[in-house]
Amino acid sequence: QQQVKQSPQSLIVQKGGISIINCAYENTAFDYFPWYQQFPGKGPALLIAIRPDVSEKKEGRFTISFNKSAKQFSLHIMDSQPGDSATYFCAASIWNNDMRFGAGTRLTVKP
Amino acid sequence: NAGVTQTPKFQVLKTGQSMTLQCAQDMNHEYMSWYRQDPGMGLRLIHYSVGAGITDQGEVPNGYNVSRSTTEDFPLRLLSAAPSQTSVYFCASRGQAGELFFGEGSRLTVL
Repeated sequence: QQQVKQSPQSLIVQKGGISIINCAYENTAFDYFPWYQQFPGKGPALLIAIRPDVSEKKEGRFTISFNKSAKQFSLHIMDSQPGDSATYFCAASIWNNDMRFGAGTRLTVKP
Repeated sequence: NAGVTQTPKFQVLKTGQSMTLQCAQDMNHEYMSWYRQDPGMGLRLIHYSVGAGITDQGEVPNGYNVSRSTTEDFPLRLLSAAPSQTSVYFCASRGQAGELFFGEGSRLTVL
């Protein structure tokens, strides 16, 4: 069964808007929650990551919000740009153990 | 640094044929892994290795073999290809901060 559930499957946002992607997990032992960005024909690349001791982490226009009690975390992309159009994967792992990925969200930012 | 290098980028096989997907990394990472990416299913872990001489199974290991004779190389072998193994395969190594570094992928079609 999928240990990390991601939604939505696809998302269309206007330039300048906010993109929000959500993930939920089951295993309470997970303690590392990264987001990966993948462009067509390329491998995924780390975008931003969070550990459960903080509720939010921001890097530029990208923010992870983390809700430990709900076992949910989300990626917010502020001022979305056409160059942000990509597939985004959430993931979770127990530190330095296998990483489990969500199904992915295809984001399209319209100019 | 080349990072993680995968070959070949594209391959077409007939059912029952065997082949090896090559993966090499030049970052001296101990942990390496193979994932397959299928539409709507995200990235699923096939096999992984925590160091030379040590390998273990992931979520979807059936039909695949691996070995790890050096820190740098982690080949993935398909002994008797099946159409269900049509996928995009990614090799990844893990850095000290826990992030995965992916190759650019190998697209395999089994007819």
